[in-house]
Amino acid sequence: KQEVTQIPAALSVPEGENLVLNCSFTDSAIYNLQWFRQDPGKGLTSLLLIQSSQREQTSGRLNASLDKSSGRSTLYIAASQPGDSATYLCAAQEAATSGSRLTFGEGTQLTVNP
Amino acid sequence: AAGVIQSPRHLIKEKRETATLKCYPIPRHDTVYWYQQGPGQDPQFLISFYEKMQSDKGSIPDRFSAQQFSDYHSELNMSSLELGDSALYFCASSSRGHPFTDTQYFGPGTRLTVL
Repeated sequence: KQEVTQIPAALSVPEGENLVLNCSFTDSAIYNLQWFRQDPGKGLTSLLLIQSSQREQTSGRLNASLDKSSGRSTLYIAASQPGDSATYLCAAQEAATSGSRLTFGEGTQLTVNP
Repeated sequence: AAGVIQSPRHLIKEKRETATLKCYPIPRHDTVYWYQQGPGQDPQFLISFYEKMQSDKGSIPDRFSAQQFSDYHSELNMSSLELGDSALYFCASSSRGHPFTDTQYFGPGTRLTVL
């Protein structure tokens, strides 16, 4: 059974700092890995998806990397802003079949202080 | 751009009552997923459908059932509601066809409160 872990559980940084969020998964046979953002009481916003054949994906100030062999992914946020404050979740999709579930980590709660 | 639509957004029910949640996927998406997120927890997968057929099944109670219709919308039916069913229920949709590449796009969720 796939287990996804995120470290740290919470992170507080000053505005402008670069930061890294970590995600690890127990079963390296994943199809893809997806990073989400969730604001309190709100839905999940997809940030980046990395296919198992890829090493990294970039979108604006966000960069996500994937190392399947070690079962790790990182989300790098450059020049953090107060608007980045949210919970960040990573999720692994195991099978290549359509409809295959996502297994989520417990999230990292990020606070960026002005 | 069109997003996943869920209705209702909020629902209050009594114990032992029945609830129906609806999900309308992004146009041209053929796959629908249901997730349950309890307070302070990460989303847990319930069930998914691809082209109207059940694709994957998670920890969905026997009291719950779901289906995907010919227009690709999906409904989650919940019976004999329990206090522990209070949660945020998310629907997500995806498509393998270009340019979607299996990314699961989530709706805003339905907040169910069981009293």
